[in-house]
Amino acid sequence: KNQVEQSPQSLIILEGKNCTLQCNYTVSPFSNLRWYKQDTGRGPVSLTIMTFSENTKSNGRYTATLDADTKQSSLHITASQLSDSASYICVVRGASNDYKLSFGAGTTVTVRA
Amino acid sequence: DGGITQSPKYLFRKEGQNVTLSCEQNLNHDAMYWYRQDPGQGLRLIYYSQIVNDFQKGDIAEGYSVSREKKESFPLTVTSAQKNPTAFYLCASSPRQTTNEKLFFGSGTQLSVL
Repeated sequence: KNQVEQSPQSLIILEGKNCTLQCNYTVSPFSNLRWYKQDTGRGPVSLTIMTFSENTKSNGRYTATLDADTKQSSLHITASQLSDSASYICVVRGASNDYKLSFGAGTTVTVRA
Repeated sequence: DGGITQSPKYLFRKEGQNVTLSCEQNLNHDAMYWYRQDPGQGLRLIYYSQIVNDFQKGDIAEGYSVSREKKESFPLTVTSAQKNPTAFYLCASSPRQTTNEKLFFGSGTQLSVL
């Protein structure tokens, strides 16, 4: 079973609207959680990173939250734009010696005019 | 793409053929990685390398081979032993394999079987 589960699998929103993506993980011990944006046919690009002690981190219209107690994170997109259409991947790094990364399957966001 | 170049963008493999995917970085990063991406699944680690002339197997190394003869280059060979090679392959690098280092990804290579 994947240690990082994302929901929903996909969503469609109208331009200008907000949306929230969810990430639940079971990785333990936990080091940090990062959200990546992946445009179709391209490599992922880092949006935010949060360590155990951080609850929220913003990058422009993207705001990530982290609840390390419940092992949940969310990514909120404010005032969506057509360029936000992409897959958003949650990545959790373990705190063991090998610093293993666990990747979620991603949420595909489609923004329509 | 953060100074990482993957080529070719699209690659077709015939049955029984070995093919090599190129990955070059000009970021002076020590660590390099190869991931496989399949629809509906998270990225899976094939191989990684922390220094020149050294590399380690990831979670799905069977049917693949790599080399790290130069710091900036980390080619991946998909051998005929890999029976299901169709996937999107991503190369990445990071300054070091430590806790908070982010990965810089290339644009990927889509490999398909003829």
